[in-house]
Amino acid sequence: AQSVTQLDSQVPVFEEAPVELRCNYSSSVSVYLFWYVQYPNQGLQLLLKYLSGSTLVESINGFEAEFNKSQTSFHLRKPSVHISDTAEYFCAVSEVSGGYNKLIFGAGTRLAVHP
Amino acid sequence: DGGITQSPKYLFRKEGQNVTLSCEQNLNHDAMYWYRQDPGQGLRLIYYSQIVNDFQKGDIAEGYSVSREKKESFPLTVTSAQKNPTAFYLCASSHVLGRSYEQYFGPGTRLTVT
Repeated sequence: AQSVTQLDSQVPVFEEAPVELRCNYSSSVSVYLFWYVQYPNQGLQLLLKYLSGSTLVESINGFEAEFNKSQTSFHLRKPSVHISDTAEYFCAVSEVSGGYNKLIFGAGTRLAVHP
Repeated sequence: DGGITQSPKYLFRKEGQNVTLSCEQNLNHDAMYWYRQDPGQGLRLIYYSQIVNDFQKGDIAEGYSVSREKKESFPLTVTSAQKNPTAFYLCASSHVLGRSYEQYFGPGTRLTVT
């Protein structure tokens, strides 16, 4: 079974500084990988996804993630964060089991951007 | 607009009562999911369904029940057998095999049982 490890439960950072949220997944032949963002008391919104092709994927609000097969990682980065990026971020990997597809989520990383 | 609706946003119940959380989607997705979210524990899968009248237990199904009588609807009942029901509950939906497995989430229901 797949598993996802988000290495940092909380990441504090100052506004306009760069940030990296780390995610590692267990090895598999092929994977689909996702980053979701959750603002307080809301559902999850898809930030970006890796399905195939280019290993670097980008979101519309400046985040990017790089799929690294040899290190089984899918770290999320942003070169300059804003106060509005304060949220919880979840990494997820797809799993197909018994004909059913599921997403396996990490425990989440709380990003706190300070002025 | 297509999306997933969950109602109500906040729900309060007394211990020992069953309570049903609503989830409706108009995305024409075949698969639907229920998750429970507790602080510091991420999302844990309760039940999922890939087709009408069929559903599977997730990782923490004890004390919960579901039904899937319509493609659009996947209500979750939190029974009195659930030892610690206070949590944030999220419903999601997706296409099935052959797609990217991306899940779309509703806004969630925060259940408080006292």
